[in-house]
Amino acid sequence: EADIYQTPRYLVIGTGKKITLECSQTMGHDKMYWYQQDPGMELHLIHYSYGVNSTEKGDLSSESTVSRIRTEHFPLTLESARPSHTSQYLCASSGDKRVAYEQYFGPGTRLTVT
Amino acid sequence: SQKIEQNSEALNIQEGKTATLTCNYTNYSPAYLQWYRQDPGRGPVFLLLIRENEKEKRKERLKVTFDTTLKQSLFHITASQPADSATYLCAPGEGGGYNKLIFGAGTRLAVHP
Repeated sequence: EADIYQTPRYLVIGTGKKITLECSQTMGHDKMYWYQQDPGMELHLIHYSYGVNSTEKGDLSSESTVSRIRTEHFPLTLESARPSHTSQYLCASSGDKRVAYEQYFGPGTRLTVT
Repeated sequence: SQKIEQNSEALNIQEGKTATLTCNYTNYSPAYLQWYRQDPGRGPVFLLLIRENEKEKRKERLKVTFDTTLKQSLFHITASQPADSATYLCAPGEGGGYNKLIFGAGTRLAVHP
């Protein structure tokens, strides 16, 4: 099991609320990622970071924002949730020197915006 | 734009047979390609990585091939078991330091006893 954690696992929230999805890893990895995945569909990269104080937008445009103040922590924030944000959000990290390029995934947060 | 294609239809096979999954990519020249397994409601789990200068990679009952001319990777599971039932994702990656991957939608494999 990879040491990468996401909370909450499930979240049902009303439109307009601000939410933060937490992601933490204990492997000391420098690179971290956020993906969005709808049922039966591919993962889409929405944000990534290659180290502290560095964040980049991914290939899929997203209204969410991220921060990387500590190596182990990469939270994702939605300032005003909308039903279109309903999806599964997966966090991942990489940087294990033993296996180049492998990404370790957390269990995901399933978000439902009503 | 870059496109990853995997069999959209589920693959149903009998226990003990070899499962072969296909991944095709277009408008892309990946430096390596990864395969992941994803079970329902869970995050993907890494299985194998193959680099552009490698033709074949093996790990226990798994084998991956990478043909950069055909722009295709094949993923084989030999002596398949019901526990192998899952969705398998293909993810080509670019070179450089960011390790950014583009994921296919995956192929669902069902192994029947």
